[in-house]
Amino acid sequence: GENVEQHPSTLSVQEGDSAVIKCTYSDSASNYFPWYKQELGKRPQLIIDIRSNVGEKKDQRIAVTLNKTAKHFSLHITETQPEDSAVYFCAASPRFQKLVFGTGTRLLVSP
Amino acid sequence: EAQVTQNPRYLITVTGKKLTVTCSQNMNHEYMSWYRQDPGLGLRQIYYSMNVEVTDKGDVPEGYKVSRKEKRNFPLILESPSPNQTSLYFCASSFLSRGLEVDEQYFGPGTRLTVT
Repeated sequence: GENVEQHPSTLSVQEGDSAVIKCTYSDSASNYFPWYKQELGKRPQLIIDIRSNVGEKKDQRIAVTLNKTAKHFSLHITETQPEDSAVYFCAASPRFQKLVFGTGTRLLVSP
Repeated sequence: EAQVTQNPRYLITVTGKKLTVTCSQNMNHEYMSWYRQDPGLGLRQIYYSMNVEVTDKGDVPEGYKVSRKEKRNFPLILESPSPNQTSLYFCASSFLSRGLEVDEQYFGPGTRLTVT
């Protein structure tokens, strides 16, 4: 079955720096790659997603890149702010309805 | 207000005592799913459902049952809970993109279950 690996498990940056979180997946049939943000004590919420027919997608300070050949995708956050501090999860959909998550990255943005 | 609700939010129970966690959504979503969240393991899919009476196993279905008799409800049943099912459980729902593909998951608030 699909296996999604996520790195790093923790990431500390200074406010204003960029942050990059990387995920790799194993099933070449995966075609949907969302990213979720979970603040402490809250539910996960989608921040950006990408489908396999697109290589990059941006939404203000957030971008996701996808390399299907290498089977990896990354989340890029520019000009980080303290409110970006949270746990971020990547996921891949190996079949139409399944969703497999990575183990999460705890991002800490220091003022 | 569009939302996914779960009940109860917190539950402490004993080994072997059957329990049900309810999940309901008011967005007319076809797709519903249950996940468990454990430290260091991320979110793992337990079961999912594409529509009424259509359910399938996720990655960790052992010890759980589900049913989808109505489009809005997707209860999670633990027939004989064990301590290794102590976890934070999330229900989620979404539309199916192009009729088939999973899309943005809208998560419920979570249910923290402790089995002693």
